[in-house]
Amino acid sequence: ETGVTQSPTHLIKTRGQQVTLRCSSQSGHNTVSWYQQALGQGPQFIFQYYREEENGRGNFPPRFSGLQFPNYSSELNVNALELDDSALYLCAGGRDRNYGYTFGSGTRLTVV
Amino acid sequence: EDQVTQSPEALRLQEGESSSLNCSYTVSGLRGLFWYRQDPGKGPEFLFTLYSAGEEKEKERLKATLTKKESFLHITAPKPEDSATYLCAVLDSNYQLIWGAGTKLIIKP
Repeated sequence: ETGVTQSPTHLIKTRGQQVTLRCSSQSGHNTVSWYQQALGQGPQFIFQYYREEENGRGNFPPRFSGLQFPNYSSELNVNALELDDSALYLCAGGRDRNYGYTFGSGTRLTVV
Repeated sequence: EDQVTQSPEALRLQEGESSSLNCSYTVSGLRGLFWYRQDPGKGPEFLFTLYSAGEEKEKERLKATLTKKESFLHITAPKPEDSATYLCAVLDSNYQLIWGAGTKLIIKP
């Protein structure tokens, strides 16, 4: 498998619910990062995993959590959804933390 | 505080009219500067990585340059298909990417 694939592409949830977003990255992508992108803004860093361990976190509350699995897949979990969580969520994979990352097409989350 | 600022916010050009986009940054321990292109509703597409001042990279009509405080993305004789939002990001000493808000480029035929 090549590239980065995210699922689902679109999702509508109700305030207070929980959501899990998934990302499948190509073989060899030891690093995976998750970002939140509001309309008209640049991506905001949520957290990063390197070889299945979290090694960096942005300014997001603990209700944003994640996992990276040995098969280069990962997930982002968000608990107690708020209206402001509505955004495009992007996953990016990379072989090395110093090089360019490959992004998925994102999951558009709408919280109502 | 690490910060990335892109200018202008939006740029409209005629097809064939060359110009430059700017990315200025303040960051502790720069590990690299990245340029990405993003089309509406899609994830960013990697263009270039620059690691040290003075470095330049080219790809088709695009050329990226880097100084100690800023980077430029030069676009030469652009075509309508170059229309997109161009994002700049810096990789800091903690391996975190700090992003600018992007420049929306529109090329009119």
